[in-house]
Amino acid sequence: GQNIDQPTEMTATEGAIVQINCTYQTSGFNGLFWYQQHAGEAPTFLSYNVLDGLEEKGRFSSFLSRSKGYSYLLLKELQMKDSASYLCAVMDSNYQLIWGAGTKLIIKP
Amino acid sequence: DTEVTQTPKHLVMGMTNKKSLKCEQHMGHRAMYWYKQKAKKPPELMFVYSYEKLSINESVPSRFSPECPNSSLLNLHLHALQPEDSALYLCASSQELAGGADTQYFGPGTRLTVL
Repeated sequence: GQNIDQPTEMTATEGAIVQINCTYQTSGFNGLFWYQQHAGEAPTFLSYNVLDGLEEKGRFSSFLSRSKGYSYLLLKELQMKDSASYLCAVMDSNYQLIWGAGTKLIIKP
Repeated sequence: DTEVTQTPKHLVMGMTNKKSLKCEQHMGHRAMYWYKQKAKKPPELMFVYSYEKLSINESVPSRFSPECPNSSLLNLHLHALQPEDSALYLCASSQELAGGADTQYFGPGTRLTVL
C-alpha cells in the first residue's frame, strides 16, 4: 500500500528553527511536494524535490533522500504567521498526489 | 500569476437542492482537479480533467457531477447531497496531468454545508 507519515503536531518558539519530517512508501516516485495550509484556507505550494539534496527558498528549505524514502521541511526564523498545517505529498507512478495527514505547527511567542 | 478562483466561498444547501461550484484559472493549465477536504484531514482527490476530458474519477458518488466547459473552467454540480458531504471543496490546476514536475495550484475553496 501507499503510506506517508509525518508528525501530527509540533510546537516551536518564535525566532527558532523547526524541522518537520516526512517518510513515504509509494508505488513509484515522481517528486515530493510540501504545502502550507492555514486553517480554513487552501493549501499553498512551498517546495518540490525530485532529486536528492537540499532545496533552499528563503526561510524555508526542503530535503530529500530517495533511498531512505525521507524528506524534511526546515523553517528558520519562525514567525507567528508560520502557525499552520504542513502537508507532505508524493507524486506516484500514476502522477497522482498521495498526501500525508499533515503536521500542525504551533508557534509560541 | 498562479491564481485559481472559486465561487462561491461558502454554500449552505438542503438535501433536495441542486447547486454548482465553479472554478476558473487563466494560467493556461491543461489539468484541473476537484478535491474534498474534511477538517484536520488531507485533501481527497475526486476528479481530474486533462485537456477538458475526464481522466480520473475516484469512485465518487453520482450526486457529484463534474463538468469542464472549456480549458479555463471547471464546475462541480451537486444534487441530493448528504450531511456527510459537508466539507471544503478545493479546485486545483497544473500545467499537465503527467508532466512530472507539475505543481498543483489550489483555489481558496468552497466551504459547503449540507443541512
